[in-house]
Amino acid sequence: QKEVEQNSGPLSVPEGAIASLNCTYSDRGSQSFFWYRQYSGKSPELIMFIYSNGDKEDGRFTAQLNKASQYVSLLIRDSQPSDSATYLCAVSGNTPLVFGKGTRLSVIA
Amino acid sequence: GAVVSQHPSRVICKSGTSVKIECRSLDFQATTMFWYRQFPKKSLMLMATSNEGSKATYEQGVEKDKFLINHASLTLSTLTVTSAHPEDSSFYICSASRESNYGYTFGSGTRLTVV
Repeated sequence: QKEVEQNSGPLSVPEGAIASLNCTYSDRGSQSFFWYRQYSGKSPELIMFIYSNGDKEDGRFTAQLNKASQYVSLLIRDSQPSDSATYLCAVSGNTPLVFGKGTRLSVIA
Repeated sequence: GAVVSQHPSRVICKSGTSVKIECRSLDFQATTMFWYRQFPKKSLMLMATSNEGSKATYEQGVEKDKFLINHASLTLSTLTVTSAHPEDSSFYICSASRESNYGYTFGSGTRLTVV
C-alpha cells in the first residue's frame, strides 16, 4: 500500500513569514513529487514538481526532496493571506498519483 | 497548455436518476484520465482510472456498475453516476496528464447534489 503522509494542520503563520509544509512517502520507487494547492470548493492546481534530490525554487515557493529520507517539503516565503489553502503532496512512480490528505495553511494578516 | 475542461460544474438531481459528467483534455491527447471524489473537508479519493479504448480500472470499494466510465476518444472521458442517491452527493474531479510523471492537470470539478 503506497502511502503519502501529511500533517493535516491547520498550520497558522503570520503574513510575511515562511510556511513550511512537510510530506513523507512510503514507496522508495517513487520518482516524481508534486505539490498542489486547493482552495475550498475548488479543484487542485499544480504549483510545484520535483524529480531530483535537493531544492527547486519557483518564485516564493521552494520544493525540497530527500529520497533517502523519503521526505519532500514545500516552503512558501513571504506568506500572504491569499496563500491560505490546503496543500496536497502527491507522489508517483509508474502508478497513478497518490495524494496525501493535505495540510491546511492559514496565513494571518 | 495542459488544459482540462470538466462540466457541468454543478448539478442537482433527484434520487434515482443518472447524471453524466464530461472531462475533456483541450490541448493534448490523454490516453489515461482519472476520476476522483472528494467529500467535504476530506482528501481526494481516486475512484477509477479511465483508459482510452478499454475498460476502466476501478479502485477497491468503488462500484463499477454504479459509476460508469467511458473513454471513447483521446480527449474525452465521461463518468455517469447511475441511480444516484443522496450519499453520492460529492465533489467529482477528473484529471489527466500530458506526459507520464509530469503531474496531472485537474478539471474544475463537478459539485453533485442528489435530493
